[in-house]
Amino acid sequence: DVKVTQSSRYLVKRTGEKVFLECVQDMDHENMFWYRQDPGLGLRLIYFSYDVKMKEKGDIPEGYSVSREKKERFSLILESASTNQTSMYLCASSPLEGARGNQPQHFGDGTRLSIL
Amino acid sequence: AQTVTQSQPEMSVQEAETVTLSCTYDTSENNYYLFWYKQPPSRQMILVIRQEAYKQQNATENRFSVNFQKAAKSFSLKISDSQLGDTAMYFCASRYNNNDMRFGAGTRLTVKP
Repeated sequence: DVKVTQSSRYLVKRTGEKVFLECVQDMDHENMFWYRQDPGLGLRLIYFSYDVKMKEKGDIPEGYSVSREKKERFSLILESASTNQTSMYLCASSPLEGARGNQPQHFGDGTRLSIL
Repeated sequence: AQTVTQSQPEMSVQEAETVTLSCTYDTSENNYYLFWYKQPPSRQMILVIRQEAYKQQNATENRFSVNFQKAAKSFSLKISDSQLGDTAMYFCASRYNNNDMRFGAGTRLTVKP
């Protein structure tokens, strides 16, 4: 089974702090994704990466950055945390299939981040 | 851009009965994939069922089946013989290339004993 591990289930940080959310997958997947999940809005894509050191902006990249130094690890960085970034953050991975997209994404347990 | 709409924020069903969750989507692509994901309370999101748009036959997975109406851009999920463990948030999603997956807002389903 694919295992996607997020470093923290719950995290509390203060406004202005630099926050790191870590995600590791063990299935050698090329693609990795970061979403935030908010009630009534579903999942919104922040950033994704299809290879080491490659990254693409999703729908809501403002205030975030990412790092992919190794294939198995994809980090989400909140440069200067703000209260409107309080949310559930989900990491996902999937294999690379070119133009076909029938493989599902595999999700981690999520990190519930509170910014005070 | 693709959009996915789930018009039912919350639903409930009695144990052992059948429930249908609605999903509509909007895309100009010809080849794409549709998914239903389940997120139980405080647990990991997992895939329930998927459908390839070029296949006319509706996908089924045990008690879960879909009603895929391509012309209407509709992709509903039917859960038969509902069980207490089916209580979860259900997300409909569409994907037309390797990286762009769009999710609906979700439907919170409660199965009542």
